[in-house]
Amino acid sequence: NAGVMQNPRHLVRRRGQEARLRCSPMKGHSHVYWYRQLPEEGLKFMVYLQKENIIDESGMPKERFSAEFPKEGPSILRIQQVVRGDSAAYFCASSGRTSTGELFFGEGSRLTVL
Amino acid sequence: TQLLEQSPQFLSIQEGENLTVYCNSSSVFSSLQWYRQEPGEGPVLLVTVVTGGEVKKLKRLTFQFGDARKDSSLHITAAQPGDTGLYLCAGRDSGGYNKLIFGAGTRLAVHP
Repeated sequence: NAGVMQNPRHLVRRRGQEARLRCSPMKGHSHVYWYRQLPEEGLKFMVYLQKENIIDESGMPKERFSAEFPKEGPSILRIQQVVRGDSAAYFCASSGRTSTGELFFGEGSRLTVL
Repeated sequence: TQLLEQSPQFLSIQEGENLTVYCNSSSVFSSLQWYRQEPGEGPVLLVTVVTGGEVKKLKRLTFQFGDARKDSSLHITAAQPGDTGLYLCAGRDSGGYNKLIFGAGTRLAVHP
């Protein structure tokens, strides 16, 4: 499968626990974007990363959220001390070097905080 | 702040009807994409429009980019139940890379 791969597809955490969401971009893509989607809403930008660099994290909450895209391995979105308001679908997208802004999305990771 | 507004928010029609959904902004976008998202899945890219006034057709779907590159429309002819889904427009942020600003979407239901 050459598409964007996200795991886990579903994750249940209790308040105060940590959530780690992983994303492997499409083959040949070096740009990764994370978006969050609440029920009945559109996608909200969180962070844009290239290998080993965070380019734009303007959509990330200031506390508890972090993201990385190491030289080897998938990109990881980490949420510490989760709260119920963190329950959402988190989508990863990747792009290659294109000037038209096309992103290719994974199937998402659905986080439920009890 | 660049914003995209989509209308209508919800649309429920019978099979065979035509429909148009709109995506409007006060900002200029260098390109605009339309995605379709089904429940439990990620958005799937339908089309990218780049040039003001551009019209693209994808079978029964017609996409138009406004002359000023601030708005877009999606017209579906003879809708089918398989067209049911959430239609999202997204504009490329002016920041110079592929960050997309999404509208809230139009949720379409086509009944047999």
